[in-house]
Amino acid sequence: NAGVTQTPKFQVLKTGQSMTLQCAQDMNHNSMYWYRQDPGMGLRLIYYSASEGTTDKGEVPNGYNVSRLNKREFSLRLESAAPSQTSVYFCASRGLAKHTDTQYFGPGTRLTVL
Amino acid sequence: AQSVAQPEDQVNVAEGNPLTVKCTYSVSGNPYLFWYVQYPNRGLQFLLKYITGDNLVKGSYGFEAEFNESQTSFHLKKPSALVSDSALYFCAVRDAAGAGSYQLTFGKGTKLSVIP
Repeated sequence: NAGVTQTPKFQVLKTGQSMTLQCAQDMNHNSMYWYRQDPGMGLRLIYYSASEGTTDKGEVPNGYNVSRLNKREFSLRLESAAPSQTSVYFCASRGLAKHTDTQYFGPGTRLTVL
Repeated sequence: AQSVAQPEDQVNVAEGNPLTVKCTYSVSGNPYLFWYVQYPNRGLQFLLKYITGDNLVKGSYGFEAEFNESQTSFHLKKPSALVSDSALYFCAVRDAAGAGSYQLTFGKGTKLSVIP
């Protein structure tokens, strides 16, 4: 049981390049989330997927797109990377069981945009 | 709207002493409150949560937190700090009435340093 996995762990891009961050969970969770973490800013929600087939914008969605490929996988795409998108990106998932209400996080992807 | 404040960017405590990491929150309805810990170059790990019931919540690694509705606070505590507790701690909240997304709002984090 790996929990939440993310690939890649590290990535360096040039301005204007595109890339997709991958996330998968093996806990049969319905909801999945993408956050970015910047120093002194805490975690900010980029996009989330409450269930398979649905996605919604979070606090900071500009410059990103997401795909909920199936129940397990939720990817984050940067179409044209900008230096302001240099950050650490975390994926999380949450189950539907009553009173569970806990999000479980992946190890993160450290992205640098030059 | 919901929000979380962690008023201290850094907390230093001597090993063996009690520690407190402060958190205050704002939600329109009843709060669900969480503490997460992040060790260097790692993801966030769940420590404990308050949903309902007893105001004193016990969690992993000997941590506990006290929900105080009148002060809208949810401070994290431990009776005796260990050097291995040194990490970044995040408080998070969501409105219990929130439907569908169950979005959490995180504080900016407090860096805890336990000095040997």
